[in-house]
Amino acid sequence: DIVMTQSPDSLAVSLGERATITCKSSQSLLYNSNNKNYLAWYQQKPGQPPKLLISWASTRESGVPDRFSGGGSGTDFTLTISSLQAEDVAVYYCQQYYDWVTFGQGTRLEIK
Amino acid sequence: QVQLQESGPGLVKPSETLSLTCTVSGGSVSENNYYWSWIRQSPGKGLEWIGYIYHSGTTNYSPSLKSRVTISVDTSKNHFSLKLSSVTAADTALYYCARQVEVHSGFFDSWGQGTLVTVSS
Repeated sequence: DIVMTQSPDSLAVSLGERATITCKSSQSLLYNSNNKNYLAWYQQKPGQPPKLLISWASTRESGVPDRFSGGGSGTDFTLTISSLQAEDVAVYYCQQYYDWVTFGQGTRLEIK
Repeated sequence: QVQLQESGPGLVKPSETLSLTCTVSGGSVSENNYYWSWIRQSPGKGLEWIGYIYHSGTTNYSPSLKSRVTISVDTSKNHFSLKLSSVTAADTALYYCARQVEVHSGFFDSWGQGTLVTVSS
């Protein structure tokens, strides 16, 4: 299995400040034939299912605010919120879909 | 916009079979390019993919659960179902159905609200 490890487990950021979450995979998620990284990011608010934010490591879903951005390649990826808003409080998960499906353990994002 | 809704018993006895159904609206389980999946979430194990089915009936299951899982689809009713046999307390979780985009193993672009299943006598 590909193991996905997120850091930190929890994060407190002031409103308007930048938040960055890291996700590392135990093997590369870059598929050489199409040069795409098979990595997605989700946001889960209390009492709700996860919501897809980003696929292909950096492609934002329709309707997702542009303050959310994904980056990285291979085994190291980031989710960045450029200016934290109150509604961004949630748990964030990364997921690889290169080989089977595995999720990171989640990062809880709170307001400082 | 596709919507998914899980249904089924919230309490299952140990050693029995957990059975859930996911009804799809605003879309069709017969659509190409999508798998129809089950995922569970528990405090101890986080998010765990269980498996998926394609409208053709092709299935793919998590290796860790494969011996106990069956996923089926009924295109006439536009729903798909999960059966998990020989359950134990470790199978207590919030169970989600989701639409999985058909690229390699796929990512999940639509989710149901989830249904809590408790395994207890």
